[in-house]
Amino acid sequence: DADVTQTPRNRITKTGKRIMLECSQTKGHDRMYWYRQDPGLGLRLIYYSFDVKDINKGEISDGYSVSRQAQAKFSLSLESAIPNQTALYFCATSKDSSYNEQFFGPGTRLTVL
Amino acid sequence: DAKTTQPNSMESNEEEPVHLPCNHSTISGTDYIHWYRQLPSQGPEYVIHGLTSNVNNRMASLAIAEDRKSSTLILHRATLRDAAVYYCILSATYGQNFVFGPGTRLSVLP
Repeated sequence: DADVTQTPRNRITKTGKRIMLECSQTKGHDRMYWYRQDPGLGLRLIYYSFDVKDINKGEISDGYSVSRQAQAKFSLSLESAIPNQTALYFCATSKDSSYNEQFFGPGTRLTVL
Repeated sequence: DAKTTQPNSMESNEEEPVHLPCNHSTISGTDYIHWYRQLPSQGPEYVIHGLTSNVNNRMASLAIAEDRKSSTLILHRATLRDAAVYYCILSATYGQNFVFGPGTRLSVLP
């Protein structure tokens, strides 16, 4: 079984709809991250959480919110989806270690029409 | 955040060595150098990381310049499965998040 799972894997929605992307991990890591990737570009950090009570904004948090329900679960919400949020979304986890290796999920492809 | 510069793309022949360069002239003394790769339709995966000394693991080798302003990821025998986008990333020792640039797209020719 995959250590970091994301649901759904693909989603098509309409402008203005609320969308939630979910991430679960079985690695026992404290840190979790949400990134987005646009075609031909690297990943950009949306939000990150170093433990259940710690949530931080990343580079591009506008239009997004997150919830850390438990150590193993980190959800990303788009309150009112817009077409330029069409992208590939990745969840990642890492241990609280000095070199901070991150483990990524398979990604969620989101299309906003 | 210290930034990295990588070539947009590189090509290699199968079973030949590949040297992927990365420039990081503004690196600080506490920055680790990380390499990740992203295979088609997958999330990024860890390749290797280092601080000052050269590093080897089962996937690759990391050669770090003496002044640490550049590094090179070495794939000793490229396979078709190594075709991916390779990202060179810097992070401070504790708590700093990764900044992914566009990376180098490696094509491996049979």
